[in-house]
Amino acid sequence: NAGVTQTPKFQVLKTGQSMTLQCAQDMNHNSMYWYRQDPGMGLRLIYYSASEGTTDKGEVPNGYNVSRLNKREFSLRLESAAPSQTSVYFCASSADRDLTGYTFGSGTRLTVV
Amino acid sequence: AQRVTQPEKLLSVFKGAPVELKCNYSYSGSPELFWYVQYSRQRLQLLLRHISRESIKGFTADLNKGETSFHLKKPFAQEEDSAMYYCALATDSWGKLQFGAGTQVVVTP
Repeated sequence: NAGVTQTPKFQVLKTGQSMTLQCAQDMNHNSMYWYRQDPGMGLRLIYYSASEGTTDKGEVPNGYNVSRLNKREFSLRLESAAPSQTSVYFCASSADRDLTGYTFGSGTRLTVV
Repeated sequence: AQRVTQPEKLLSVFKGAPVELKCNYSYSGSPELFWYVQYSRQRLQLLLRHISRESIKGFTADLNKGETSFHLKKPFAQEEDSAMYYCALATDSWGKLQFGAGTQVVVTP
């Protein structure tokens, strides 16, 4: 009953460091998403993947890269972290055109100093 | 451009009082709207969707295409309703969601 699992839960980076946020889902969903949550701005889409092997930019992709490793896993990479990337990151998944909505992970709280 | 607006950042209500969270959208197509809720220290979860016309935990939301609104209502607020609420709009066939800025609801006894 894991649903969507994100790791790590917390991370502190220095400016310029790189890291990868991991996300895995066990619901056989085709679509996966990365959002960032900032106070007063809601959730903004960084990247999404409609199916294995495809990825597309969302609203705020600059400074990020993604990999859809297989149907289960969708990772988000920060190549050179900046303080502006301090945020809470959520991974989510959904079935195709699934009007039952997204299943979210528990989030990664990232601080860049 | 698609847009979701939640004008209230914070709503403070007394237990037993009615609560209404406003959501307005702009979208040229046929909208599909959702409300998500995030309780303290929990992950975001779907509360309800307009297409199912359901009532969840006493909450209802009606899509008003004329006013481009999807306000969330509950006649009698409970302390366990204290949470962050997000209105979201599905903007294309892949189901990408655009979220509003969120409304923090605090229900006091």
